[in-house]
Amino acid sequence: DAGVIQSPRHEVTEMGQEVTLRCKPISGHNSLFWYRQTMMRGLELLIYFNNNVPIDDSGMPEDRFSAKMPNASFSTLKIQPSEPRDSAVYFCASSSTGLHEQYFGPGTRLTVT
Amino acid sequence: GNSVTQMEGPVTLSEEAFLTINCTYTATGYPSLFWYVQYPGEGLQLLLKATKADDKGSNKGFEATYRKETTSFHLEKGSVQVSDSAVYFCALSDPFNKFYFGSGTKLNVKP
Repeated sequence: DAGVIQSPRHEVTEMGQEVTLRCKPISGHNSLFWYRQTMMRGLELLIYFNNNVPIDDSGMPEDRFSAKMPNASFSTLKIQPSEPRDSAVYFCASSSTGLHEQYFGPGTRLTVT
Repeated sequence: GNSVTQMEGPVTLSEEAFLTINCTYTATGYPSLFWYVQYPGEGLQLLLKATKADDKGSNKGFEATYRKETTSFHLEKGSVQVSDSAVYFCALSDPFNKFYFGSGTKLNVKP
């Protein structure tokens, strides 16, 4: 079975550019989570969706960050404009109602220069 | 509120040593508890879980028991291998599947 799929795996961009990260959850899962991992702050939940609806976006750092889930099999996390402090590994995870655990994708390593 | 506290690392052990990584939690209600493992350059993988008090989760020689009276979920392994070197995260989930992760504990196992 395919797990959570993220693309790209690595992204290097210049400050001020728009960055779009993509996630395909496990088929049949109805919850999707975006996390950011840095050495300084560890693993942070940015936003999560249930049945394609954003439930909690309190972790989104600022208005430069936005996330969408247009259907059950696809989500994007967009940063516009990007800044060097956004450099991190971004993980997507999925789960489903009644399933206690989350399944993580391999992550996207973002470097903003 | 919900939170997880785990011991700071790094933890350095020799191969075949006994491992304990402490984890305590604060939660409203009755959370599920998890241990995840992250190998370099990879995402987090579920190692084991326990969904109610006194449950023991186990996998690949690792064990953890859900202790409600001490609000703990300590990870143990009787004999570690070099291949166990990774970062270990303790976590709890609320009824809405929102996870709260600890800060992670890096384990280094020397041959």
